[in-house]
Amino acid sequence: GNSVTQMEGPVTLSEEAFLTINCTYTATGYPSLFWYVQYPGEGLQLLLKATKADDKGSNKGFEATYRKETTSFHLEKGSVQVSDSAVYFCGGTSYGKLTFGQGTILTVHP
Amino acid sequence: DTEVTQTPKHLVMGMTNKKSLKCEQHMGHRAMYWYKQKAKKPPELMFVYSYEKLSINESVPSRFSPECPNSSLLNLHLHALQPEDSALYLCASSQGVSPLHFGNGTRLTVT
Repeated sequence: GNSVTQMEGPVTLSEEAFLTINCTYTATGYPSLFWYVQYPGEGLQLLLKATKADDKGSNKGFEATYRKETTSFHLEKGSVQVSDSAVYFCGGTSYGKLTFGQGTILTVHP
Repeated sequence: DTEVTQTPKHLVMGMTNKKSLKCEQHMGHRAMYWYKQKAKKPPELMFVYSYEKLSINESVPSRFSPECPNSSLLNLHLHALQPEDSALYLCASSQGVSPLHFGNGTRLTVT
């Protein structure tokens, strides 16, 4: 079956630090890949997506590239802000079913 | 602002109560979902409706009963719940291969 493995947290950074959250997947077929963000007290919001190999998703300074050769979709941001503190979920859709990683809690301090 | 609206935001119910969670979307999406999320964990799929018909039930106990009255509405009827059912219940919708759009959820506490 499909599975998504996500870097365990929590991750604590200072403002303006570089962020990487690793995500790898196993799936039959060619999944679409997503990063969702969940702010405290809210539902999940789509942060970015990629639907095929070598696609780069980007939004709000975050980027992730769909790497078929390493089956990875790592999330990066060059300079994090306090407002980026949230839980980040990597996910993949294959044959209509969305599978989530375990989530990574990010805390950014001023 | 989320395009998937869930009510109520919070719900406290006893183990003998009957209550319902409601979800509404006006994006024309034909697939709607119920997820359960425990604190700091990923959402777990419960039910999927496609074109108003139940297409996936992830072996959810019968004390949870979904209903899709029309293409914009999704309900989750609750009866005789247990304290371990306390969680955030998320509704989502999608169309075709588009990403899921989530609501902000209902925080349920079973006492």
